[in-house]
Amino acid sequence: AQKITQTQPGMFVQEKEAVTLDCTYDTSDQSYGLFWYKQPSSGEMIFLIYQGSYDEQNATEGRYSLNFQKARKSANLVISASQLGDSAMYFCAMREDNDYKLSFGAGTTVTVRA
Amino acid sequence: GAVVSQHPSRVICKSGTSVKIECRSLDFQATTMFWYRQFPKQSLMLMATSNEGSKATYEQGVEKDKFLINHASLTLSTLTVTSAHPEDSSFYICSALGGRNSPLHFGNGTRLTVT
Repeated sequence: AQKITQTQPGMFVQEKEAVTLDCTYDTSDQSYGLFWYKQPSSGEMIFLIYQGSYDEQNATEGRYSLNFQKARKSANLVISASQLGDSAMYFCAMREDNDYKLSFGAGTTVTVRA
Repeated sequence: GAVVSQHPSRVICKSGTSVKIECRSLDFQATTMFWYRQFPKQSLMLMATSNEGSKATYEQGVEKDKFLINHASLTLSTLTVTSAHPEDSSFYICSALGGRNSPLHFGNGTRLTVT
């Protein structure tokens, strides 16, 4: 069964605007971690932000924030003040605490327009 | 931050030859490393989990005799694509786990082209 669902294959956003990337997950574990990674066209995977299932505050890292809604099992990424360099593929991932493996979503391609 | 080095970044080989890809954790010890394969515009597909000093655990559908994984030390794991064929052409990316609550750190990937 799909553990991570990203329903937006591609998105366009205007420079300096905010964009929200959707991510829903499926787990029966109480303890898990959620991650977002950015993959530019060069291929490297860049870690952006982490949210633990027991964290009460939404995670933030600079222009990235994670809108964590545990009851809805969603962990949307918000990128504020988009820049041209934000154009990339973005992956949501989950790691359940009884397993070291990361399960990745299908990814969302973001294109920032000038 | 933690750095994972993957080498080579690109390789072109002839059909039937073998290719070795190295993944090193540069500033931390990684008891567990993961190998992924990625097709264009698609997600990362986990191939195998590599544990230092023991045999790798392969995901369903991944041929262990074709994709040989060796995790000889706490900082090095290698993936050897044996008897490569054009359908093995892909982007291979490794990652290393520095600790239970830390994110996976990824190498920069290897683009393999088999002619």
